[in-house]
Amino acid sequence: DQQVKQNSPSLSVQEGRISILNCDYTNSMFDYFLWYKKYPAEGPTFLISISSIKDKNEDGRFTVFLNKSAKHLSLHIVPSQPGDSAVYFCAGGTSYGKLTFGQGTILTVHP
Amino acid sequence: DSGVTQTPKHLITATGQRVTLRCSPRSGDLSVYWYQQSLDQGLQFLIQYYNGEERAKGNILERFSAQQFPDLHSELNLSSLELGDSALYFCASSVRMGQSYGYTFGSGTRLTVV
Repeated sequence: DQQVKQNSPSLSVQEGRISILNCDYTNSMFDYFLWYKKYPAEGPTFLISISSIKDKNEDGRFTVFLNKSAKHLSLHIVPSQPGDSAVYFCAGGTSYGKLTFGQGTILTVHP
Repeated sequence: DSGVTQTPKHLITATGQRVTLRCSPRSGDLSVYWYQQSLDQGLQFLIQYYNGEERAKGNILERFSAQQFPDLHSELNLSSLELGDSALYFCASSVRMGQSYGYTFGSGTRLTVV
């Protein structure tokens, strides 16, 4: 039962353009959502989060949008930089702290 | 440095063997979560411990077991290893972020079964 899905295994973007990473979920009980970024040979690191009662959260170049009716969230990176090349995981969280992760999307930003 | 320490970083072992992966959470964190990341797979939740007690179980095989000790470090034991157990194993401790929780991950242990 895949409660969080990232249907695009990979995404390739030109430097300076927008990167849009998508995530769908089936569990209506998630209280919040997070995005993590992972470089090779490192553990995932927290990027940005959004409460289930919000529809947008912005932090610098990163913005997360939540569409609860569609059970869909997206991460926008503007402008994209080569250093953003990594695997991005979305995750849904509940009030007792457990996170459920998607399969990840490999983002490649070309100079 | 995330504050979550995992050892060893790399492990190569033969099929049928048993290994132990170790995790020390951030100072003061009571929870430890174990995740497995196989090739082409996302982060699969294995098990959670909180203050020495098992709190939640995910897709953990019966050949795998874990425990959390009084000093809060945790060990993940993998036995009768198969080629398909080759993966990255991460542990994480949870951190309160306003109204939500996030995880702080260790750098992982890469297990290769040959």
